Amino acid sequence: QQQVKQSPQSLIVQKGGISIINCAYENTAFDYFPWYQQFPGKGPALLIAIRPDVSEKKEGRFTISFNKSAKQFSLHIMDSQPGDSATYFCAAIEGNTPLVFGKGTRLSVIA
Amino acid sequence: EAGVTQSPTHLIKTRGQQATLRCSPISGHTSVYWYQQALGLGLQFLLWYDEGEERNRGNFPPRFSGRQFPNYSSELNVNALELEDSALYLCASSPSQGWDEQYFGPGTRLTVT
Repeated sequence: QQQVKQSPQSLIVQKGGISIINCAYENTAFDYFPWYQQFPGKGPALLIAIRPDVSEKKEGRFTISFNKSAKQFSLHIMDSQPGDSATYFCAAIEGNTPLVFGKGTRLSVIA
Repeated sequence: EAGVTQSPTHLIKTRGQQATLRCSPISGHTSVYWYQQALGLGLQFLLWYDEGEERNRGNFPPRFSGRQFPNYSSELNVNALELEDSALYLCASSPSQGWDEQYFGPGTRLTVT
């Protein structure tokens, strides 16, 4: 049973465009929602995270939007660059229990 | 500061054999987590060790086991290897029970033939 559903599976964006990746969850007890970025041959790296008491968090070109009532959260990458090409994973956690990951989105930013 | 290290980088085994994967956490981190990243399945939680004890395990059979040593490094053992065990095995570490502060290593690519 997949607890965090991520879409799309793959995404192609023009350089300078906005990349948007969406995640949905069912467990209302989740209290922390991180996004990880993974380059080929590397382990995932924490990119940005949000807690459900805020609706948006921005760090540089990366923004998380959180909709508690809809049980959805999304990652927006503004001014997307070829160096942003990677696989992105959303995740969720409830207290001190294991992270639950989405299946990932492979982003390709083309010039 | 050195990150999480894993060895070996690649491992090729035959079905039925045993595999041993190793992880060294970031200095000062006492929690170690193991994940399996199989193609198309995302990251699946395997095991969590903290202060030398197994604290939680994911939905994997008992032939997946491990341990944490006094220096907080960790070992993942997979017995009776099956073809579907072929995956990237990732180790992460954090300060004690810091699920929201995990740092991942580069992984060990296990191929079972």
